[in-house]
Amino acid sequence: KAGVTQTPRYLIKTRGQQVTLSCSPISGHRSVSWYQQTPGQGLQFLFEYFSETQRNKGNFPGRFSGRQFSNSRSEMNVSTLELGDSALYLCASSLLIAGDGTDTQYFGPGTRLTVL
Amino acid sequence: AQSVTQLGSHVSVSEGALVLLRCNYSSSVPPYLFWYVQYPNQGLQLLLKYTSAATLVKGINGFEAEFKKSETSFHLTKPSAHMSDAAEYFCAVSSFKAAGNKLTFGGGTRVLVKP
Repeated sequence: KAGVTQTPRYLIKTRGQQVTLSCSPISGHRSVSWYQQTPGQGLQFLFEYFSETQRNKGNFPGRFSGRQFSNSRSEMNVSTLELGDSALYLCASSLLIAGDGTDTQYFGPGTRLTVL
Repeated sequence: AQSVTQLGSHVSVSEGALVLLRCNYSSSVPPYLFWYVQYPNQGLQLLLKYTSAATLVKGINGFEAEFKKSETSFHLTKPSAHMSDAAEYFCAVSSFKAAGNKLTFGGGTRVLVKP
């Protein structure tokens, strides 16, 4: 079974631009979560989607948004990019069998975003 | 609110020696705890997880961790380090009624294995 895929793997943008990242979960997985990883702040939760609905949101500004499609694929968008948005953005999917925090999340390889 | 503290951002071990990575958590409700490993230019891979069954959890690649409620700890160990264990390790916590799959991660511990 194929793992979580993320596209593109690398991206370079300039300040003020916007960017869209894509995530395809493992087949059959219904929950998709996004995380930002930076050297300074570490791994931080952005948001989670389940059945096309945002179930959970981290402490990020409104410039960060996402959505999920009916096939469970997800996109996240960052508008008006800032230098500090440079990071590795990781997507994770899970079956959400229990839905109580015990489900294993399977991570993709990430998209490395560089903002110049 | 939940939090995770990993003691030591860098650990150096000799090949064949014990690997011990420390993780302490803070949670107002019973926690669920995870250890992930990240190799360079890759995503995170689950090593093991504690979900209130056995307190000693065995994972992949010879790793295990013990949940100690009295010490609020979930340290990761491996009896004998291998060169392939060089990576960054993350401890994470979620909790019952977390309303989904939000993981709170520690700062990570980078492991260097010396031949």
